[in-house]
Amino acid sequence: AQSVTQPDIHITVSEGASLELRCNYSYGATPYLFWYVQSPGQGLQLLLKYFSGDTLVQGIKGFEAEFKRSQSSFNLRKPSVHWSDAAEYFCAVGYPSGSARQLTFGSGTQLTVLP
Amino acid sequence: EAEVAQSPRYKITEKSQAVAFWCDPISGHATLYWYRQILGQGPELLVQFQDESVVDDSQLPKDRFSAERLKGVDSTLKIQPAELGDSAMYLCASKGGTEETQYFGPGTRLLVL
Repeated sequence: AQSVTQPDIHITVSEGASLELRCNYSYGATPYLFWYVQSPGQGLQLLLKYFSGDTLVQGIKGFEAEFKRSQSSFNLRKPSVHWSDAAEYFCAVGYPSGSARQLTFGSGTQLTVLP
Repeated sequence: EAEVAQSPRYKITEKSQAVAFWCDPISGHATLYWYRQILGQGPELLVQFQDESVVDDSQLPKDRFSAERLKGVDSTLKIQPAELGDSAMYLCASKGGTEETQYFGPGTRLLVL
């Protein structure tokens, strides 16, 4: 069975500092990987995704993530955090279900940005 | 930009009452998902539709929850009777064609008193 682990429940960084959010997955086949962001009381917005090819993927809002098969990881990074990045971040793995895919999410990492 | 619509955004109800949530996916999206997100956790799939057919409802508590997508477009999720433990955010997502990305609506936050 597939699973996603986000080991950091809460991370605090200062505005302008770099950020790395960790994600480890367990899945027997080639994974489809996603990072979503959720602002308070809102739905989930896709930041970026990895299906195949270049293991470093670029997303919206200046985020990037690197797929490392040997470490079963898909960590999210941003070189300089803005106060508006404060939100909850979810990593997810997609697996086949019928003709579509289902997502299994991690438990999320809450990001606080200090001025 | 096309979006997934959900209503209501907030719902407060008393336990043992019935509640219903509505979702209108992005036009043309054949696959529709309902998720439940308990505070502090990631979303968990309740049911997946392909057009009007249920693909997977293995995680749906069928003694009290039901979901339908009669014409393969919009969908309704119902809880009857609601229990205190049902307090959560209910998210709808849709996916089109061969695209792999799920697009989420704003969710319905349910509070059961």
